[in-house]
Amino acid sequence: AQSVTQLGSHVSVSEGALVLLRCNYSSSVPPYLFWYVQYPNQGLQLLLKYTTGATLVKGINGFEAEFKKSETSFHLTKPSAHMSDAAEYFCAVSDAGANNLFFGTGTRLTVIP
Amino acid sequence: NAGVTQTPKFQVLKTGQSMTLQCAQDMNHEYMSWYRQDPGMGLRLIHYSVGAGITDQGEVPNGYNVSRSTTEDFPLRLLSAAPSQTSVYFCASSHHYEQYFGPGTRLTVT
Repeated sequence: AQSVTQLGSHVSVSEGALVLLRCNYSSSVPPYLFWYVQYPNQGLQLLLKYTTGATLVKGINGFEAEFKKSETSFHLTKPSAHMSDAAEYFCAVSDAGANNLFFGTGTRLTVIP
Repeated sequence: NAGVTQTPKFQVLKTGQSMTLQCAQDMNHEYMSWYRQDPGMGLRLIHYSVGAGITDQGEVPNGYNVSRSTTEDFPLRLLSAAPSQTSVYFCASSHHYEQYFGPGTRLTVT
């Protein structure tokens, strides 16, 4: 069965600092991996996804993530935080070829001016 | 192109009442799903459908029914609401494993 662990329910960074949000997954088959962002009182928006191919994937708003099979990780990074990045971020996993997503519990990112 | 729409945005029910949360998409996606979001628990899959006439249970299906008579619509029914069903509900449709979420329905059961 698939599962996702997001380390840190709350992360605070200064504006301009590196953003690192951690995600580890468990899957018995090759996974598809996703990061979603949720702004207050809104639905979820896809930031980026890994299905096959290059393990470093780039997404919207300057975010990227690297799939590391040996570490079962898919951490999300952004070199320089912006105030508009303050939101909740969810990591999710599905089996390759499946549409059902299993979500982590989320990480709330606060950006300090 | 409206994407995924959900109605209502907010709803308050009394215990035991029934209601239907509406979800529609205009992207001709075969796959649709319902999630509930609770604080500290992320999103959990309730029911999903891989096409008109086909539905299946997700992680937390108890207390909810679904049907899929058309590609566009995927309503979620609560037959007898319970306080444990207080949550935010999201509908999504999927194409090439990318899910498109609606804006959500905030449901409170008193």
